[in-house]
Amino acid sequence: EVQLLESGGGLVQPGGSLRLSCAASGFTFSSYAMSWVRQAPGKGLEWVSVISGSGDNTYHADSVKGRFIISRDNSKNTLYLQMNSLRAEDAAVYYCAKYFHSGTYSSTFDIWGQGTMVTVSS
Amino acid sequence: EIVMTQSPATLSVSPGERATLSCRASQSVSSNLAWYQQKPGQAPRLLIYGASTRATGIPARFSGSGSGTEFTLTISSLQSEDFAVYYCQQYNNWLALTFGGGTKVEIK
Repeated sequence: EVQLLESGGGLVQPGGSLRLSCAASGFTFSSYAMSWVRQAPGKGLEWVSVISGSGDNTYHADSVKGRFIISRDNSKNTLYLQMNSLRAEDAAVYYCAKYFHSGTYSSTFDIWGQGTMVTVSS
Repeated sequence: EIVMTQSPATLSVSPGERATLSCRASQSVSSNLAWYQQKPGQAPRLLIYGASTRATGIPARFSGSGSGTEFTLTISSLQSEDFAVYYCQQYNNWLALTFGGGTKVEIK
């Protein structure tokens, strides 16, 4: 069964840092680009970051550029999101998501994790 | 950035009735459009991709249509498990994926 399991969320003060992890299983992890998508409480979905299957290419939404870093360890089948300089507006449930088609970013998400909550507050 | 606008924000429908949800893109996304269903406390679930192709395991009562800037998700006969929030998403601009604001389908 294809599965994604996020961890690492929690309460952090404004300006602080947090690293999220997403453990993948049931598919050839290195063959697929992966993304992080977030959802603020009671709000819609916002794409955050994408990383290629090899990890060589990464892209971030303007709202997090320069503060968040997406990475992956294909030997551990794990995706990461390093979040620095956190702001109140970063508070959300963070989902990792698998791209439907291998080897491309021009694809939708077929598998989502259950999400991990990030709260930014003093 | 491609802005995705969904309407209506809330749709009140009786079980067994048809529901029609709309999604408009601020510029053409070709057929690179997906629909997701999200229930409270759950992750989104892929329903439709390529504007009209049902994902694996999705019942035939869900159908998608459209191309360019205008898209529609139709649920032919609403079941109790279909009451949820539905999002459209464009992946034509894959460096800046964007979602619509969502349509909540509620029981009338």
